[in-house]
Amino acid sequence: GQQVMQIPQYQHVQEGEDFTTYCNSSTTLSNIQWYKQRPGGHPVFLIQLVKSGEVKKQKRLTFQFGEAKKNSSLHITATQTTDVGTYFCAGPRSSASKIIFGSGTRLSIRP
Amino acid sequence: NAGVTQTPKFRVLKTGQSMTLLCAQDMNHEYMYWYRQDPGMGLRLIHYSVGEGTTAKGEVPDGYNVSRLKKQNFLLGLESAAPSQTSVYFCASGPRAGANVLTFGAGSRLTVL
Repeated sequence: GQQVMQIPQYQHVQEGEDFTTYCNSSTTLSNIQWYKQRPGGHPVFLIQLVKSGEVKKQKRLTFQFGEAKKNSSLHITATQTTDVGTYFCAGPRSSASKIIFGSGTRLSIRP
Repeated sequence: NAGVTQTPKFRVLKTGQSMTLLCAQDMNHEYMYWYRQDPGMGLRLIHYSVGEGTTAKGEVPDGYNVSRLKKQNFLLGLESAAPSQTSVYFCASGPRAGANVLTFGAGSRLTVL
């Protein structure tokens, strides 16, 4: 079963509000990746985090990798309708090449 | 540069029929993956390959077979389709371990009646 858990499963926010999704792994990850899937589309790579405690920003998106490399978060400041979609974290499991995805957080926005 | 191409995009099968999904990538990537996506279940890894001639089991391999005879192609086969295999199937490829950023195809929607 899934060993990379994401919460919440769904989030419905007013446009302009902030949004955060959390990813938790049962084991230490060598790296973690984040993907976005628009409704009806396919997952698209956003970012990869490698170092313990790493923080990276992409405009209104802030990504963090926990000190123990077992958890990560994605925070969106002042959401816009273009942020709608499902956000997935993913990481290697058992081997560097076996990439397992979290269950995803679906973000919907009230204009 | 097409990236990752999946065929067919849609298919309806009857229980017990067989079919093959084809994934082709033109990025010279070593690693290729097949995932299935069901509502509320995220993306689950079926099988993957770390190079031409190699395959390995993922999280949910039962009922599926794969082959990677050429580096650019990764085939997913269903020998005897079941309604539980109704899903959207995504193929992805990545350059190498450690910096294995995945590029996904557009998906193949399979319905088994």
